[in-house]
Parts: sequence; structure tokens; C-alpha cells
Amino acid sequence: GAGVSQSPSNKVTEKGKDVELRCDPISGHTALYWYRQRLGQGLEFLIYFQGNSAPDKSGLPSDRFSAERTGESVSTLTIQRTQQEDSAVYLCASSVGRMGEQFFGPGTRLTVL
Amino acid sequence: AQSVTQLDSQVPVFEEAPVELRCNYSSSVSVYLFWYVQYPNQGLQLLLKYLSGSTLVKGINGFEAEFNKSQTSFHLRKPSVHISDTAEYFCAVSGGATNKLIFGTGTLLAVQP
Repeated sequence: GAGVSQSPSNKVTEKGKDVELRCDPISGHTALYWYRQRLGQGLEFLIYFQGNSAPDKSGLPSDRFSAERTGESVSTLTIQRTQQEDSAVYLCASSVGRMGEQFFGPGTRLTVL
Repeated sequence: AQSVTQLDSQVPVFEEAPVELRCNYSSSVSVYLFWYVQYPNQGLQLLLKYLSGSTLVKGINGFEAEFNKSQTSFHLRKPSVHISDTAEYFCAVSGGATNKLIFGTGTLLAVQP
């Protein structure tokens, strides 16, 4: 079966533009996580979705960041008015319920010029 | 709050030598502990995990880790490394309602011939 997929793999944008990143979780995985990996740093948790429950948005760094997920399917992470400090690899992971092993996608490398 | 410390940003080692990558954590609740590996230009892959039970955990590719509650450590070891083990290794802790992962800053294992 397919793993977690993310698109695009690379995105270069100009400062101030909006970007949308997509994550397709493994089929049947009810939990979905977004993380950010900035150069030379570890991964930072951004947001968590579990089924139809209210998402845990505690890791979003500012109100320019938002994410959506419809049911147990695709999720999109939107960054509005991008800044240079938003440059990072954005990783998505999914798991079978919140206690399952998290499987990571290949990431989207975002570069803000 | 939970946190993870990987004191060594880079560990150079010769092929066939043993290696230990250090990880210390702090948490006010029971934790689950993980080691992930990220090969160059690839996504994160789970090496091993500690959930409960035996404190010595064996993972893929000959790696093992020992959970030490009194020292709040979860060091990763391999008795004999290969060139192909060259990668970034991340220690992570999870716990709480969402099971989000809190990562260390990573250790680059550089295996030299």
C-alpha cells in the first residue's frame, strides 16, 4: 500500500505570498500530524487532527498558519503572507489512532525568497 | 512540558567501530520514547521505540537502545557501524492526549572508511 504522500515536493515563493501544502495520509489512518523542520533544528509539532475531534493547534507559530482536514482524508496546511523564517521542510505524518506509530511523508521543502 | 536533548550534533566514527548516540529527556508524565533515522534526501523512518516492558529495545539495522528512567536517558547503540548508517538520527518523546512527538535537534552520524 501507498505511504504518506505530500505535494509539492519543493515550493519556492516570494515573501508575502500565500502557499498551500498538501498531505495524503495512509488510508484508514485517523490521526494526522504536521511538523516543521528548519535548517539545523529538530522537528517542531504544528498541528494534530484525530477523526472529527477538534484539532490540537497548539504548535502553530502564528495566525498566518492554518490547516484543514476533512474527515480522515487529505489535509492542507496554508501559510499566508509568507516570511523568510517560514523556510523549512514541512512534514506530515499519519497513524492508526493517536497511539499508533507515526508514518512520515517525504516532506515539502518551502523556500521563501 | 516535555523536552528532548541530544547533546552531540555530530558523531564521527570509523566503519566497524561501535557507536552510542546520546538522548536525554524530561517529562512530568509517563512517556513513550523513539529513535528515528533520516537518510540523505529521504523521509523519517522509525528505528525503534520504547512503550513499556523491557528497558532494552532492539530495532532495525542492528540498532538498540536502553531506557533508563533514573537517568532519564534513552541512548542509541550499535556494536559495529557501516558506511550505510551515515544519516541524521532523531530522538523523540511522546505522551499526553495527542501523542504528538517532541524531537531533539538530531545527531549526524558520519561513518568514515
